[in-house]
Amino acid sequence: EPEVTQTPSHQVTQMGQEVILRCVPISNHLYFYWYRQILGQKVEFLVSFYNNEISEKSEIFDDQFSVERPDGSNFTLKIRSTKLEDSAMYFCASSKERGFYGYTFGSGTRLTVV
Amino acid sequence: KNEVEQSPQNLTAQEGEFITINCSYSVGISALHWLQQHPGGGIVSLFMLSSGKKKHGRLIATINIQEKHSSLHITASHPRDSAVYICAGGGETSGSRLTFGEGTQLTVNP
Repeated sequence: EPEVTQTPSHQVTQMGQEVILRCVPISNHLYFYWYRQILGQKVEFLVSFYNNEISEKSEIFDDQFSVERPDGSNFTLKIRSTKLEDSAMYFCASSKERGFYGYTFGSGTRLTVV
Repeated sequence: KNEVEQSPQNLTAQEGEFITINCSYSVGISALHWLQQHPGGGIVSLFMLSSGKKKHGRLIATINIQEKHSSLHITASHPRDSAVYICAGGGETSGSRLTFGEGTQLTVNP
């Protein structure tokens, strides 16, 4: 069964450093998303991406965050200058159609900022 | 603002019991995902439904659009069903984003 692949599974970074989280969505999916889950809290939407541009973003997704689909297969989330409060599990997801049909999540990247 | 509320937050059952997890959602949400999150953190989609009922093995999900309520049932529960179960809603007013509930921690004891 097709999977959304995320790398790395765990990343530790120092406060102020830039991190790039990587995702390979399912190949025939058109919509891509990033969500995050701070430990003990519910999953929160960050951003959705379609046709090589951001289609929607939440208030969490400020200027420190950016997304890119650099080569037609990878989908990346960059955090420019990490803060302690960026420590969370970050999930990539993709879907074939707008909305929620065929929504598939990756296994997540646990980001720890020290 | 779309909202999703789940109950109960925690549920402990004995193996073999019938389990129900409930989810209420706000206007603007027209369909729900039921998701399973394992201790390692990964999220697996169990169902997406916008009306009626779906069944997969021992799992059954129902949705009542008029009452804005959905339930996830597990029949003949087993310790391997222990996980966090999450409902997440989406709809036209929120575009493609999903709004997540808090999750229900299910523990099934042998």
